[in-house]
Amino acid sequence: KAGVTQTPRYLIKTRGQQVTLSCSPISGHRSVSWYQQTPGQGLQFLFEYFSETQRNKGNFPGRFSGRQFSNSRSEMNVSTLELGDSALYLCASSLVGTGGYEQFFGPGTRLTVL
Amino acid sequence: TQLLEQSPQFLSIQEGENLTVYCNSSSVFSSLQWYRQEPGEGPVLLVTVVTGGEVKKLKRLTFQFGDARKDSSLHITAAQTGDTGLYLCAGADAGGTSYGKLTFGQGTILTVHP
Repeated sequence: KAGVTQTPRYLIKTRGQQVTLSCSPISGHRSVSWYQQTPGQGLQFLFEYFSETQRNKGNFPGRFSGRQFSNSRSEMNVSTLELGDSALYLCASSLVGTGGYEQFFGPGTRLTVL
Repeated sequence: TQLLEQSPQFLSIQEGENLTVYCNSSSVFSSLQWYRQEPGEGPVLLVTVVTGGEVKKLKRLTFQFGDARKDSSLHITAAQTGDTGLYLCAGADAGGTSYGKLTFGQGTILTVHP
């Protein structure tokens, strides 16, 4: 079974631009979560999608948004990029995202904002 | 807000030594997961513990979930250089409404010297 895939793996953008990251979950998994990982803050939860609906959101500004498609693939978008948005963005999938669920992570997208 | 305190932050040991990493919280979790992450890659799931008092073994790694499901430990016996990496604990909210969100500890950077 193929794992979680994320594209692109690396991105370099400048301040003020916007970026879209893509995530394909493990086949059969319907819950997709996004995290931001930085050396100072560790892994922080951005949001979660299930059946094309956002069910949960972390404490990030509205510049961070996402969506999920009917095939469970998900995208996240960051508008008006700031230097502090430089991070490893991780996507994780799970079967249903509730209870004692397990999350499986993709390799991440390394975003550098100049 | 749920918090997971992971200790120690850094661990530098010689090959063959034993070590323990701790993960503590004042909150109850429905499950707790341990991940290992290599630089530039996504976290790889090592184990999930669900039942209070549960002990799981994965070769030289032993994982324990506290009786009250608030804390966990990872013990590595006879560490090898291949064990080097970032170890993360992550808890799934027991409340049932925090969909798809794992709360992560800050991580333990383990370096095993030959």
